[in-house]
Amino acid sequence: AQSVTQLGSHVSVSEGALVLLRCNYSSSVPPYLFWYVQYPNQGLQLLLKYTSAATLVKGINGFEAEFKKSETSFHLTKPSAHMSDAAEYFCAVSAMNSGGSNYKLTFGKGTLLTVNP
Amino acid sequence: DAEITQSPRHKITETGRQVTLACHQTWNHNNMFWYRQDLGHGLRLIHYSYGVHDTNKGEVSDGYSVSRSNTEDLPLTLESAASSQTSVYFCASSQKRAYEQYFGPGTRLTVT
Repeated sequence: AQSVTQLGSHVSVSEGALVLLRCNYSSSVPPYLFWYVQYPNQGLQLLLKYTSAATLVKGINGFEAEFKKSETSFHLTKPSAHMSDAAEYFCAVSAMNSGGSNYKLTFGKGTLLTVNP
Repeated sequence: DAEITQSPRHKITETGRQVTLACHQTWNHNNMFWYRQDLGHGLRLIHYSYGVHDTNKGEVSDGYSVSRSNTEDLPLTLESAASSQTSVYFCASSQKRAYEQYFGPGTRLTVT
């Protein structure tokens, strides 16, 4: 079975500081990995995705993530935080099930990012 | 532009009533999903469909049902609403099973 662990349910940074949101996954087969962002009272919006091409993935709003197979990690980073980045961020893994017929998307519990002026 | 919409955006209902939440997408995606989001639990899959007349149970399907009569719509029905079903419900769709899912804006349901 696959799983996702997001380290830190709440991360607080200062405006202009580095943003690092951690995500570790477990999967018995090569996964697809995603980061989503959720602003208050809105749905989830795709930030970026890893689908077995380049291991460093660039997304919207200046975010990027690096797939590290040896560490089973897919951490999300942004060099300089903006006030508008304050939101909840979800890491998700999609992998084929043991029967080879379906993919299941599993979400982490989320990390709330606060940006202080 | 293609999109996914949900209605109503807010709903208050009483225990025991039947409630239907609508989900409509214009991407022509075969795959559609319903999730609920609760504090401390993240997103949990309720039901999903891989095409017309196909429906499958997710991890928290008890008390919910779906039907898929066309590509665009996947309504979610709560047969007899319970207070434990107070939550925010999200519909999503994807082009292929392994690919990213696109989410609607959500429906906030309160069962009193």
